[in-house]
Amino acid sequence: DIVMTQSPDSLAVSLGERATINCKSSQSVLYSSNNRNYLAWYQQKPGQPPKLLIYWASTRDSGVPDRFSGSGSGTDFTLTISSLQAEDVAVYYCQQYYNTPYTFGQGTRLEIK
Amino acid sequence: EVQLVETGGALIQPGGSLRLSCAASGLTVSNYYMSWVRQAPGKGLEWVSVIYTGGATYYADSVTGRFTISRDNSKNTLYLHMNSLGADDTAVYYCTRGGGTSSWWGSWGRGTLVTVSS
Repeated sequence: DIVMTQSPDSLAVSLGERATINCKSSQSVLYSSNNRNYLAWYQQKPGQPPKLLIYWASTRDSGVPDRFSGSGSGTDFTLTISSLQAEDVAVYYCQQYYNTPYTFGQGTRLEIK
Repeated sequence: EVQLVETGGALIQPGGSLRLSCAASGLTVSNYYMSWVRQAPGKGLEWVSVIYTGGATYYADSVTGRFTISRDNSKNTLYLHMNSLGADDTAVYYCTRGGGTSSWWGSWGRGTLVTVSS
């Protein structure tokens, strides 16, 4: 199974500042035949289901603000929030869909400093 | 607008069985990868099972042999049949829709709570 490890486990950032969350996979999730990274990011606010933010490691889902961006390839990925807003307080998860069993990172809790 | 509505969650005794349903609107379940993802109280997300457009099914190791995913195309509904339930199966179960034939989960239901306890 591919193990997804996020860092840090929690993060406190001031409003308007940049937030960076890292995700590392135990093996590459880059599929060589199409040069795509099978990596997604989700946001989960308290009491709500998760919401897809990013897929193919860097493609924003429809309606996701452009302050959210994804980067990385192979085994190392980053979710960046360029200017933190109050509504971004949430837990963030990465997920690999390279193969089954599909696996999530343990989550990163993002708070306001 | 895509809507996924899960039902069937309950308080169930260890060793019991349960069937979860996910009624879909705004999409045709047979045209998408569909999945169940669960979240134990206060914990992270755990993928449970997927059914592909062609009907192939896959499971997490933790539920293999106990859970069965299926769909009824005429009812546009996804199911999760759960047997031999244990305390570790206590969770909110979310129905999710994939990105066409890709396994990122672009739409989620509100979830249904399964509690396994005597």
